[in-house]
Amino acid sequence: GIQVEQSPPDLILQEGANSTLRCNFSDSVNNLQWFHQNPWGQLINLFYIPSGTKQNGRLSATTVATERYSLLYISSSQTTDSGVYFCAAPTNSGNTPLVFGKGTRLSVIA
Amino acid sequence: DAGVTQSPTHLIKTRGQHVTLRCSPISGHKSVSWYQQVLGQGPQFIFQYYEKEERGRGNFPDRFSARQFPNYSSELNVNALLLGDSALYLCASSLDRTEAFFGQGTRLTVV
Repeated sequence: GIQVEQSPPDLILQEGANSTLRCNFSDSVNNLQWFHQNPWGQLINLFYIPSGTKQNGRLSATTVATERYSLLYISSSQTTDSGVYFCAAPTNSGNTPLVFGKGTRLSVIA
Repeated sequence: DAGVTQSPTHLIKTRGQHVTLRCSPISGHKSVSWYQQVLGQGPQFIFQYYEKEERGRGNFPDRFSARQFPNYSSELNVNALLLGDSALYLCASSLDRTEAFFGQGTRLTVV
């Protein structure tokens, strides 16, 4: 099945700084999602981005399907951005809806 | 519109007991998936149901079972609980093989 790897595993930023989170996947995908997990455990949808670039406020994401990676950009980080960021993609067979990476734990310090 | 709702939010059970977790998908969504997330890891796929049929199953023992009802809500059942079953259980709904939306989870503690 597909393997999903995220980097870096941990990231500490000063408030206002920018960051880039990376997600590599081992097989071609037709669906890729980015999530932010809040301290209470809920997974918040950030992007559904099989390919191309999308932006939502201070966040943007780019997926280059042919090179099997996706990037999540956070600009002008805020303390509320802290938490764990996951990317996830389905297996090609479609039998596993989403395979998750291990996540990037982001801490934004005031 | 209501999002994905899960119940209960927290649960404490004793080893060997049985537990049932419930999930109501977003209205109109026919696919429900279950995931287990242990501390420090990403969610791991357990089951997917679509139109009341099991579409996929992850690498979990037979103590884990699930079903989907005619209204597309779903239950996850775990028998003979072990300490290692302590985790956050997440339910996701989607139209089909499209964007998935997650509930707030059920935090299960086995003592």
